[in-house]
Amino acid sequence: GQQVMQIPQYQHVQEGEDFTTYCNSSTTLSNIQWYKQRPGGHPVFLIQLVKSGEVKKQKRLTFQFGEAKKNSSLHITATQTTDVGTYFCAPSGSARQLTFGSGTQLTVLP
Amino acid sequence: DSGVTQTPKHLITATGQRVTLRCSPRSGDLSVYWYQQSLDQGLQFLIQYYNGEERAKGNILERFSAQQFPDLHSELNLSSLELGDSALYFCASSPFGGGGVTEAFFGQGTRLTVV
Repeated sequence: GQQVMQIPQYQHVQEGEDFTTYCNSSTTLSNIQWYKQRPGGHPVFLIQLVKSGEVKKQKRLTFQFGEAKKNSSLHITATQTTDVGTYFCAPSGSARQLTFGSGTQLTVLP
Repeated sequence: DSGVTQTPKHLITATGQRVTLRCSPRSGDLSVYWYQQSLDQGLQFLIQYYNGEERAKGNILERFSAQQFPDLHSELNLSSLELGDSALYFCASSPFGGGGVTEAFFGQGTRLTVV
C-alpha cells in the first residue's frame, strides 16, 4: 500500500484557534481521501482530492492536494469542540488498496 | 448510519480460540475492506475483497483469513487468538475496487477482547 507520513500525531488547540494536519508521500499519489473518526466512533469520509493543486472547502474545513500530488493538508478554521477526533488521510496510489495514514488526534479545549 | 452492518459488536474470548466476524456491506457495494485498530492506534489494512475475489492484501497474519460470499457479505476469521489480537475490527465497503478507490463507508466495528 501507499506509505505516507501524517503530522502532527497529536494537536491540542484552544477553541477558536486554527488547526492543520499534513499528509506527505515520497511517491506520486493518484488521489487522496480524508476521514474523521470521533472518539468511540468509526471513520467517516470527508472528501476525496484527485487533481494536482486541487483545493476544496467544506464550511470551516479546507482541503488541499499538492501540485506534485505528493502531499495534502486539511485546515480547520476557528475550531469548535465538535471538531474533536482523529483525522486520517487515505492515499491511493495503486488504486487497489485503501490504506490510511497514522492520523492526527485533535483535542479542542473549551 | 453508514449502511454497513458488523456483528457482533463486542466479543470476549480466550487465548487460543477462533472467532468469526461478520460484515454486511451497503446495498450494491462490491468491495469490502477489513481493518484492525488497536487502542489509540491507526487503521491497519488487512484485506480487500471485490465481488467475491481477494483484491489486495495488507498486513494480515497467517492466523487470519477472510472471504466474501456470493451475497457479498464478508467474514473475517481469526484463529489461535493471542492477547495482542485484542482490537477494534472495522469493515468498510465501497462501490468499486478495480479502476479506482472511491469513498468507503465504515461499519460500527467489532470490539474483540482476548483474555
